Order: sequence, then structure tokens, then C-alpha cells
Amino acid sequence: SAVISQKPSRDICQRGTSLTIQCQVDSQVTMMFWYRQQPGQSLTLIATANQGSEATYESGFVIDKFPISRPNLTFSTLTVSNMSPEDSSIYLCSVSGGPGDTQYFGPGTRLTVL
Amino acid sequence: GENVGLHLPTLSVQEGDNSIINCAYSNSASDYFIWYKQESGKGPQFIIDIRSNMDKRQGQRVTVLLNKTVKHLSLQIAATQPGDSAVYFCAENIWGNTPLVFGKGTRLSVIA
Repeated sequence: SAVISQKPSRDICQRGTSLTIQCQVDSQVTMMFWYRQQPGQSLTLIATANQGSEATYESGFVIDKFPISRPNLTFSTLTVSNMSPEDSSIYLCSVSGGPGDTQYFGPGTRLTVL
Repeated sequence: GENVGLHLPTLSVQEGDNSIINCAYSNSASDYFIWYKQESGKGPQFIIDIRSNMDKRQGQRVTVLLNKTVKHLSLQIAATQPGDSAVYFCAENIWGNTPLVFGKGTRLSVIA
């Protein structure tokens, strides 16, 4: 399976600021995804990061709030914009070799917004 | 910890006993299912998967059972150990149409 790293591992941010989370994979992957895990909850898909084109967002998530980049097959970023305390969550990067392949997860970024 | 699974259902088992964690999935069209284990402070870790053309699959100390008739998935852990304490999630999708949709999760607590 791919080795996935995320930066930062955790952060404490002030309301109204933005944070960019990086996801790096040690091998080329077809699919990259971003999930959110609110405290005590399950994982919710934010978007699919598409290389060379705009990300595909799930219902309830918009590009202005969660801009995503994917410049190549091993790297993606998720920005949490204009943060509020409700954005306090674990943000998880996930990758897959393609349709039908298992999804693997990074260690997550633990965000606290004050 | 990071409060993963704080509000989730909890299953407590004695060390050495077998554990059974259940999941009701939502989409009758789903044909690929995965169980993940999430320890405090970590991302979900793949345990075992099963496709809809099977009703049982075994791994090391773990067995997944699939009942498509009632849309039910279970994870059996044999001889549960303290290291098995974690939150367990089932996930589903339609093979060839990612990404995964996750179930609510269950916290497994192993009593030594």
C-alpha cells in the first residue's frame, strides 16, 4: 500500500484565518480524496481531488470554503478558508489506485479553531 | 486522544473472547465493502475487504460476513487482544465508482 503523509499533523488557528493542509504520497495514485471527521463522528467525504482540473465536491461542501489543488499524481492540498470553531475536525487525505482499488488513508490533520 | 469515537456505540469484550461488530449498509447497489480500524490519533487502517460475490472472507484473526439480503456486514475478531481496542468503521461503494461512504462506527474496548 502507498505511504501517505500529511502536513501539518495538527494546528490551532484563530477564527477568520485559513489553513492549507498538504498530502504527499510516495507513489503515483489515480485517485485522491479529502475527508472530514468531526469530533466523535464518522468520516464524511469533502471532495475528490482531480489532477489538472477542478475538484469534485460533495453536497454541502463548496470550493470557496475548501479550495483543493492537485498538481500531480502524488500531491494534493486542501485549504480550510475563513475558519470558524465549527471547522474544528480531523481532515484526512485518502488515495486509491483507481476504481475498484482499496482506499488508504493518511494520518490526518487535527485542526482546532478558536 | 482526539475524541475519535467519543459518541459512538461501544462494545466491551474480555481479552481472549471473540468480538463481533455489526454494520448495516445503506445502498443496495453497493458491491464492495471494507472494514477499517482507527486508533486514537491515527488515520483509518485497512483491515479486510469483501466483494458482493462472496458472503464470507477470512484474514488473520478476522472474518467478514456479508448478508446482501438484509444489507448487513459484520466483522468478527477472534481472541480479542488489548491492541484491538479502537474504533471500527465499515465502508461501502460501488466497485468502479469510488469513493467510499462510511458507516457510523463502533468503539471496541478490550477489558484485560
